[in-house]
Amino acid sequence: GQQVMQIPQYQHVQEGEDFTTYCNSSTTLSNIQWYKQRPGGHPVFLIQLVKSGEVKKQKRLTFQFGEAKKNSSLHITATQTTDVGTYFCAGLNQAGTALIFGKGTTLSVSS
Amino acid sequence: DARVTQTPRHKVTEMGQEVTMRCQPILGHNTVFWYRQTMMQGLELLAYFRNRAPLDDSGMPKDRFSAEMPDATLATLKIQPSEPRDSAVYFCASGGRLRTKNIQYFGAGTRLSVL
Repeated sequence: GQQVMQIPQYQHVQEGEDFTTYCNSSTTLSNIQWYKQRPGGHPVFLIQLVKSGEVKKQKRLTFQFGEAKKNSSLHITATQTTDVGTYFCAGLNQAGTALIFGKGTTLSVSS
Repeated sequence: DARVTQTPRHKVTEMGQEVTMRCQPILGHNTVFWYRQTMMQGLELLAYFRNRAPLDDSGMPKDRFSAEMPDATLATLKIQPSEPRDSAVYFCASGGRLRTKNIQYFGAGTRLSVL
């Protein structure tokens, strides 16, 4: 079945270091979404990418959608302790009715 | 500030008891999703509804789980009988407004412990 995979599963960085998480789909995606879940919280929508090769920025966060629309990445520049949490990517299923979530990358940041 | 409301926030129960979790989607959203989150399995999609009709519940153990939408403002997820392996956080999410139709807005979750 359709799968969305994320690596790494966990990442620990020192505050100020950069961080990247990668997302790969077994099928071509119509769009990719990213969510962030703070510890003890719930997933919160960050962004949606639709076009092949699209790059979007939100302050220190840069999101990319691959040319083949099968992979995506989230890069955080100069991490801060407020970036701690689990980052999920999600792609629409082939029916276009539901999201398939990756297992997430959990980021911890030490100051 | 529109949000998805889930009750209860926490539930501790004994094995064999019935558990009912409730979700009030954001007003105007026509799609409701139920997820279960555990450390081992991550976010699992259990079931979802569009315009109150079930679209897919293939992620749900049918023998003990049931999901319904008695009206547009209420979705329920029931477990009967509950088992310790059902211990998890259960999230409801809603979506479906035209411009943002694929984006999902999650509730705060119900943390379930079955002893």
